[in-house]
Amino acid sequence: GAVVSQHPSRVICKSGTSVKIECRSLDFQATTMFWYRQFPKKSLMLMATSNEGSKATYEQGVEKDKFLINHASLTLSTLTVTSAHPEDSSFYICSGRGNTGELFFGEGSRLTVL
Amino acid sequence: KQEVTQIPAALSVPEGENLVLNCSFTDSAIYNLQWFRQDPGKGLTSLLLIQSSQREQTSGRLNASLDKSSGRSTLYIAASQPGDSATYLCAVPDLGGGADGLTFGKGTHLIIQP
Repeated sequence: GAVVSQHPSRVICKSGTSVKIECRSLDFQATTMFWYRQFPKKSLMLMATSNEGSKATYEQGVEKDKFLINHASLTLSTLTVTSAHPEDSSFYICSGRGNTGELFFGEGSRLTVL
Repeated sequence: KQEVTQIPAALSVPEGENLVLNCSFTDSAIYNLQWFRQDPGKGLTSLLLIQSSQREQTSGRLNASLDKSSGRSTLYIAASQPGDSATYLCAVPDLGGGADGLTFGKGTHLIIQP
């Protein structure tokens, strides 16, 4: 299957700082990428849909000014958690949609905010 | 809003057994259903994608079926192995305005005892 690379896999930061997570589709072009978060022992929850060259669409309850998403090219989307707080600590996973409609996921990024 | 339920939440069986994992969804107007595997602290690996026009898909020891009218899918694992131990998630397209993001079940945590 197609490969989605996510970086960094783990990040620890101080409260109030910003953290950027990158999501790259390595062998396919993804006009649409999705960002999810997963709390311990919970399922994945969609945060936002990122379309190349346009503004992201955020799910209800997700602060767009806090979770900045940029999809500058067909192979790269970034999620920036601004002014991070401990409650933002979570597992963030991105995915890109291949041309068959199947979604391919990155390995995830574990964010810990101290 | 689409809701996805997976039963059982956890399952522990001896190696070699055949298993059935269940997934149900509330809105049958889906165009595909996808099964994923998630290892602890890792991202998702796509196992099988079933289009709405299909009734089942097979990959190796895995077989997934889809009954749209009843809102159900099953994942059958034949001759289970310890390496199959993981959390299995089913997901359907998000019909709540998520622009083709996925709605996930909470998963079935599977342990195969050697």
